[in-house]
Amino acid sequence: EIQLLESGGGLVQPGGSLRLSCAASPSIFSNYAMAWVRQAPGKRLECVSAITVTGGSTFYADSVKGRFTISRDSSKNTLYLQMSGLRAEDTAIYYCAKYSHRFWSGYHIDYWGQGTRVTVSS
Amino acid sequence: EVILTQSPGTLSLSPGERATLSCRASQSVIGDFLAWYQHKPGQAPRLLIYGASTRATGIPDRFSGSGSGTDFTLTVTRLEPEDFAMYYCHQFGSSPQTFGQGTRVEI
Repeated sequence: EIQLLESGGGLVQPGGSLRLSCAASPSIFSNYAMAWVRQAPGKRLECVSAITVTGGSTFYADSVKGRFTISRDSSKNTLYLQMSGLRAEDTAIYYCAKYSHRFWSGYHIDYWGQGTRVTVSS
Repeated sequence: EVILTQSPGTLSLSPGERATLSCRASQSVIGDFLAWYQHKPGQAPRLLIYGASTRATGIPDRFSGSGSGTDFTLTVTRLEPEDFAMYYCHQFGSSPQTFGQGTRVEI
């Protein structure tokens, strides 16, 4: 069974930092690209970052470029999203997502986690 | 970027009825690389359709996808009580990958 379990969300002040984690089933982590997709209140889903299976290629949405860093640790079967310089507009539910292939470009997401809530507020 | 516009925003139907959801792209979706997801509150989104018309593993055949280019449709024949949810389309043919704003199917 494929499981994606996010953690690390919470309340943070503007300008602060937070690291999200996504624990994935070992059977999938070493074979597929992964992503973080968020949904802010009243907004559509947005793919904020993606990473290939080797970590050799990454994607960042313009809205987070230079502030967020995606990484993966195959020894822990865990995907990370390091977020810094957080803004009110980063408030959202963040979903960990698995792609159907080793690469994210041109491939669909086939599994999602249940999400972790991030609130940026003073 | 490719903007996906879903319509209607809300679809009010009864169990047993047919639901037709539309997803229109601002430009042609490369390779017809379009997926549909179902999302219920507090749950993980679930993949229904990819490649515009291929049902994902374990998805009942009452769900079907069609379309190409800029116009795509998700059809649910004979709605079951568990089908009342939000539905999103997603294009993955060009970067950045984008999502529609969603259609709510409610009783």
